[in-house]
Amino acid sequence: AQTVTQSQPEMSVQEAETVTLSCTYDTSESDYYLFWYKQPPSRQMILVIRQEAYKQQNATENRFSVNFQKAAKSFSLKISDSQLGDAAMYFCAYRDLYGGATNKLIFGTGTLLAVQP
Amino acid sequence: DGGITQSPKYLFRKEGQNVTLSCEQNLNHDAMYWYRQDPGQGLRLIYYSQIVNDFQKGDIAEGYSVSREKKESFPLTVTSAQKNPTAFYLCASSIVPDQGFKTQYFGPGTRLLVL
Repeated sequence: AQTVTQSQPEMSVQEAETVTLSCTYDTSESDYYLFWYKQPPSRQMILVIRQEAYKQQNATENRFSVNFQKAAKSFSLKISDSQLGDAAMYFCAYRDLYGGATNKLIFGTGTLLAVQP
Repeated sequence: DGGITQSPKYLFRKEGQNVTLSCEQNLNHDAMYWYRQDPGQGLRLIYYSQIVNDFQKGDIAEGYSVSREKKESFPLTVTSAQKNPTAFYLCASSIVPDQGFKTQYFGPGTRLLVL
């Protein structure tokens, strides 16, 4: 079964600095999707960025980018120029390419990011 | 604005009582999902539905029930058989194309507490 591991329960970064959140996953599939979701104190889950495994180019969305290492099964999130509003719980998630009838997302346990002014 | 709404924001359940959490979406999405979130854990899938009048159990369906009578609505009932219902419940929806991200978009959640 597929699993997602986030080994950093908490991280801290200074405002305007860069931080990288780690995510590793385990799968026997060759094609799949990976996601990073942000959950601020309001607890609304917000999509941050997504990556298709069959694309070698790392996804970027403004200050957010990923380092996707398929062979290592690693999918880290880099936040540049950190802002106070980036403080949140961040979840890494995996989905099989076709997902079957479920379109099931498998989530990691999350990393709580604090941003220091 | 298109989106997903969940109500109530907070819900209190007495022992032996069934309670229903509401989830409504106006995104014209076919698929809807219910997740449970506990402290220190990721989200776990309770039920999902790809089409009206059809739904399937997820990983932790015991003690829960759902219905899908309308495309826009996917209510979750927490029954008295769920012995540990205290958690944060998130509803999500997505399109169901043959390919593509099928990204799931989430509602604001309902916090369920047992009295």
